[in-house]
Amino acid sequence: GQQLNQSPQSMFIQEGEDVSMNCTSSSIFNTWLWYKQDPGEGPVLLIALYKAGELTSNGRLTAQFGITRKDSFLNISASIPSDVGIYFCAGQKGTGNQFYFGTGTSLTVIP
Amino acid sequence: DAGITQSPRHKVTETGTPVTLRCHQTENHRYMYWYRQDPGHGLRLIHYSYGVKDTDKGEVSDGYSVSRSKTEDFLLTLESATSSQTSVYFCAISDFQGTYEQYFGPGTRLTVT
Repeated sequence: GQQLNQSPQSMFIQEGEDVSMNCTSSSIFNTWLWYKQDPGEGPVLLIALYKAGELTSNGRLTAQFGITRKDSFLNISASIPSDVGIYFCAGQKGTGNQFYFGTGTSLTVIP
Repeated sequence: DAGITQSPRHKVTETGTPVTLRCHQTENHRYMYWYRQDPGHGLRLIHYSYGVKDTDKGEVSDGYSVSRSKTEDFLLTLESATSSQTSVYFCAISDFQGTYEQYFGPGTRLTVT
């Protein structure tokens, strides 16, 4: 099945640093979603993007819908320990009702 | 939080036994999904439903069946569990009413011994 290429696979950063991760695909998507998953829990939706070029923020998180519609980016500013977790991207095409998921970026924040 | 519950949250069963996992939603969303999550594979779609009694197969449907007799409930059945079905199973819902967002339940950890 189709999966999105998400990078980096893992990140180890110092508290206070900014974080950037991205998701790419060979297909065009109409919707991009970003999730965070804590250990033992389900993914929680952070940001949803619906238009090419769209830039949306949620607190210290900012996500962008790539101009080509084949990629998306997530930035976290001034990281804190509770940002630790796995971040997933997901895309939805114009037709159909399925979502395609990235393989995840594991974030570790060192106090 | 979206109103999605899964039961049981944890289950250990033996190879060859039938297992049913339940997903219950209070959001009245039309679409419901079952995924499995395994290390190195991310989230993979097993089956999904686009309405009561309307279901379709996903990427990894072999060995699984589903049923949806009410809007709020979506059942996943392993007819004869195998060790390869040891995984964490997530239910998700979506509505496609103007926005295309998907919300997940808390997951069920299934171990097949």
